[in-house]
Amino acid sequence: DIVMTQSPDSLAVSLDERATVNCKSSQSVFYSSNNKNYLAWYQQKPGQPPKLLIYWASTRESGVPDRFSGSGSGTDFTLTISSLQAEDVAVYYCQQYYSTPITFGQGTRLEIK
Amino acid sequence: EVQLVESGGGLVQPGGSLRLSCSASGFTFSSYAMHWVRQAPGKGLEHVSSISSNGGSIYYADSVKGRFTISRDNSKNMLYLQMSSLRAEDTAVYYCVKDIVVVVVVRAFDYWGQGTLVTVSS
Repeated sequence: DIVMTQSPDSLAVSLDERATVNCKSSQSVFYSSNNKNYLAWYQQKPGQPPKLLIYWASTRESGVPDRFSGSGSGTDFTLTISSLQAEDVAVYYCQQYYSTPITFGQGTRLEIK
Repeated sequence: EVQLVESGGGLVQPGGSLRLSCSASGFTFSSYAMHWVRQAPGKGLEHVSSISSNGGSIYYADSVKGRFTISRDNSKNMLYLQMSSLRAEDTAVYYCVKDIVVVVVVRAFDYWGQGTLVTVSS
């Protein structure tokens, strides 16, 4: 199984500042035949289902604000929020869909400082 | 607008059974793989099961294999999860989830239902 490890577990950032969440996979999730990283990011607010933010490691889902961006390749990935807004308070999960079993990171809780 | 509405959750005793349903609308249901993902109270996300667009390919997590059965009815735009031999550790919110890519089973999830709570307790 591919283990997904996020860091940090929790993060407090001031409004309008940058927030960065890291995700490391125990094996590469890069598929060379199509040049894609099988890595997604989700945002979950309290009492709500998760919401897809990023897929293929860096493709922003339609309707997601452009302050959210994804980067990385192979085993190391980053979700960046360029200017934190109050509505970004949530738990963020990375997920690999390179191989079954599909696995998620443990989550990173993002709060306002 | 894509909508996924789960139903069928509730309280069940250990060893019991339950059938979850998911009604889909707003997209061509028969063209997408569908999935169940669960979340235990206060915990993270766990992928439970997948079914391809035509139902011909099915996947189960080891934790539910042999106990859960996923199915779909493309004529009714419905997804199901039959759960049997339920255990306390199956207690979770179960989400009906749509795959991001048409036809191909990718297992990234672009639309989620609100979820239905399954509680396994005596």
